[in-house]
Amino acid sequence: TQLLEQSPQFLSIQEGENLTVYCNSSSVFSSLQWYRQEPGEGPVLLVTVVTGGEVKKLKRLTFQFGDARKDSSLHITAAQPGDTGLYLCAFFKAAGNKLTFGGGTRVLVKP
Amino acid sequence: GAVVSQHPSRVICKSGTSVKIECRSLDFQATTMFWYRQFPKQSLMLMATSNEGSKATYEQGVEKDKFLINHASLTLSTLTVTSAHPEDSSFYICSARDIGLADPREFFGPGTRLTVL
Repeated sequence: TQLLEQSPQFLSIQEGENLTVYCNSSSVFSSLQWYRQEPGEGPVLLVTVVTGGEVKKLKRLTFQFGDARKDSSLHITAAQPGDTGLYLCAFFKAAGNKLTFGGGTRVLVKP
Repeated sequence: GAVVSQHPSRVICKSGTSVKIECRSLDFQATTMFWYRQFPKQSLMLMATSNEGSKATYEQGVEKDKFLINHASLTLSTLTVTSAHPEDSSFYICSARDIGLADPREFFGPGTRLTVL
């Protein structure tokens, strides 16, 4: 059982459309991280959300942390082919000192 | 930002041989490095935590005698896949934690694609 459930698993959209990716759990987290991974490369950190209800923006990407700190979402406005990749949410497990990833959402933006 | 390199980027080997993958932090020191494995269209799964100067900590289900980890210095960790078999074919990614930072941010390497024939 994944501690972090991501949905959808796969998303294919046309350039210019909007999309939202969800990361859910029954656990409460002190923080959540979002990564993007392109094929054949390692993941790159996009953002860390810490406060319940927090909203962070990174250009066309908007990240939200749920009020109860159990879930998070990533919204991309006017998606571009360069947004194509695997989006991963993750939390830092202090006990054990390690990062745990969700199952990932594969996003394909067609030109 | 901090840079982590991996070598080789891809390797093809015959079944039964051993393969060594290097992970280096290029501009920072890392007492802790992590090794992940990623199968096609799946997420990253942590294999082990590599600690400088001490034994690695392996996740449940990961054979420590098959995946040998050595963290010889503050900038280098190696993963050796011993007696590799086709089912070991995967994308192996390392990450390193900068000891100079207050928050536990990990920086990921570009990955090594291992194909075992």
